[in-house]
Amino acid sequence: GENVEQHPSTLSVQEGDSAVIKCTYSDSASNYFPWYKQELGKRPQLIIDIRSNVGEKKDQRIAVTLNKTAKHFSLHITETQPEDSAVYFCAALEYGNKLVFGAGTILRVKS
Amino acid sequence: DAGVIQSPRHEVTEMGQEVTLRCKPISGHDYLFWYRQTMMRGLELLIYFNNNVPIDDSGMPEDRFSAKMPNASFSTLKIQPSEPRDSAVYFCASCPAGLRGEQYFGPGTRLTVT
Repeated sequence: GENVEQHPSTLSVQEGDSAVIKCTYSDSASNYFPWYKQELGKRPQLIIDIRSNVGEKKDQRIAVTLNKTAKHFSLHITETQPEDSAVYFCAALEYGNKLVFGAGTILRVKS
Repeated sequence: DAGVIQSPRHEVTEMGQEVTLRCKPISGHDYLFWYRQTMMRGLELLIYFNNNVPIDDSGMPEDRFSAKMPNASFSTLKIQPSEPRDSAVYFCASCPAGLRGEQYFGPGTRLTVT
């Protein structure tokens, strides 16, 4: 089955700097890669996703890149703000409609 | 749209008791998922349904866990008997058939078994 590894496990950045979180997956058949943001005590919320027919997708300060050959994808957050502090999860869609999640990255934005 | 609805939001029970968690998916979504989240194990998929039919229950940890979806707007996850190691946050999520993978999570139920 699919296996998703996520790095780093924690990331501290200064407000205004960029943050990058990387994930690798094992199943070359996976074709959908979402990112979720989870604030303390809240539900995971879908913030951006990418399907395998594109290499990059942007939404304001957030972007995701996908390298299918290397089987990795990354989340980029520019001009970080304190409200970006949260746990971020990457995921890959396995057979059927099953998401396999990474272990999560705790992002702290220091003001 | 009200989003995915879960109840109760918090549940405290004693070991050995039966616990029932409830979920109402987003209207029109054909898929429903039950997840468990703990610090040690992260987000684990327990079971998912398509059009009310269980598709994959390989994540259900033991026979003490069971899930049903009697109709398109309601699902339950039951633990009987409950144990302290079942303490976790349980999330329900739903997904439309036309957008495979795009799952929307409910607020979760925080279960504490003492």
